[in-house]
Amino acid sequence: DTGVSQNPRHKITKRGQNVTFRCDPISEHNRLYWYRQTLGQGPEFLTYFQNEAQLEKSRLLSDRFSAERPKGSFSTLEIQRTEQGDSAMYLCASSFDREFGNTEAFFGQGTRLTVV
Amino acid sequence: DAKTTQPNSMESNEEEPVHLPCNHSTISGTDYIHWYRQLPSQGPEYVIHGLTSNVNNRMASLAIAEDRKSSTLILHRATLRDAAVYYCILRSSWGSSYKLIFGSGTRLLVRP
Repeated sequence: DTGVSQNPRHKITKRGQNVTFRCDPISEHNRLYWYRQTLGQGPEFLTYFQNEAQLEKSRLLSDRFSAERPKGSFSTLEIQRTEQGDSAMYLCASSFDREFGNTEAFFGQGTRLTVV
Repeated sequence: DAKTTQPNSMESNEEEPVHLPCNHSTISGTDYIHWYRQLPSQGPEYVIHGLTSNVNNRMASLAIAEDRKSSTLILHRATLRDAAVYYCILRSSWGSSYKLIFGSGTRLLVRP
């Protein structure tokens, strides 16, 4: 297992287009997280899955954003009607549910989105 | 979510020890202290975590104050590869506080 994989690594899209990103977590991990990171800032939490259930969504996740994790495996993050403000690095992370708070998360290398 | 305070940046010479401080005065008894780092153009990478006792692993050491209101990440011999942004994060050990809340972190510069 080579870790958390994200595709594509880079995406340039025109404003108003829809984009979809994919995240393949480490295979035995039951938790999956999406974060967004803009230049010079730390990653911001977007949403979280435990297996296939989406248990929390940040207020940053507007109606234009939707995430899925069918069958508790890979996950997709879709942004509809992209805006220039959506330009950012989108990070995916996964972890295995052991005791709360004691779990390390493994991050992918991210998908860099540029909206022109 | 509990908050941490870190210096914006620090500098070190290669092969010297580095002590990265973090203040977390509002820490609760169930909060673990996690450290992650992010190299340029990479996703964050787990470094170390602890609850009350000092911790060592192959990457670093974590020294936790007796009152747990501060902690220090120690890199014993900095290398150029250690130049990164280091994030100190509190993570609750119960309830649904499973997410990592990142601050702005400390940017570590390593001089050759």
